[in-house]
Amino acid sequence: AQKITQTQPGMFVQEKEAVTLDCTYDTSDPSYGLFWYKQPSSGEMIFLIYQGSYDQQNATEGRYSLNFQKARKSANLVISASQLGDSAMYFCAMRANSGNKLVFGAGTILRVKS
Amino acid sequence: SQTIHQWPATLVQPVGSPLSLECTVEGTSNPNLYWYRQAAGRGLQLLFYSVGIGQISSEVPQNLSASRPQDRQFILSSKKLLLSDSGFYLCAYDLGAGGDEQYFGPGTRLTVT
Repeated sequence: AQKITQTQPGMFVQEKEAVTLDCTYDTSDPSYGLFWYKQPSSGEMIFLIYQGSYDQQNATEGRYSLNFQKARKSANLVISASQLGDSAMYFCAMRANSGNKLVFGAGTILRVKS
Repeated sequence: SQTIHQWPATLVQPVGSPLSLECTVEGTSNPNLYWYRQAAGRGLQLLFYSVGIGQISSEVPQNLSASRPQDRQFILSSKKLLLSDSGFYLCAYDLGAGGDEQYFGPGTRLTVT
């Protein structure tokens, strides 16, 4: 079984600063993918970034980067130069490459202060 | 390009009434389709997924059911709603397993009174 743990229920960050959202996972599958989604107050789920378990380099997408530490089973999201529009709920998720199910963590609410 | 639609956007239904939520995907064929429920301030719970027409896998036993009458149509139903069915329902699709991200619809906010 797969499990995602996000230990930070809420985070605050000053505008223009970087912030790290934590995510640890547990799986017995050797091949899997890790995802981060953003959910603003409107409710839509927005895909941010993906990391494959065999990828050698950390994934980056614009201001988003994924700090992947396979031995520690962690996949933290780093947002650089925070903007007010980054205020939202952020979910970490994973899926075994052999399956279809995407397992989500409980989420972290991020508030960006001006 | 691909798009995913859900309706209605909001719904208020009395306890014991039936439910039908619809999800359609445009711009692709044979997608995997998913129904999730999200309670207020919580994470997403996978309810059903489908890898093809008429193929439904249930993740959580409850009074909800799902159907896939057409390749790009996914329906969530209930014969009698419970108060605990209130929540935010999200439909999603992807085009395969592994590294394919899931794309989500705008969601339906259901309140059972």
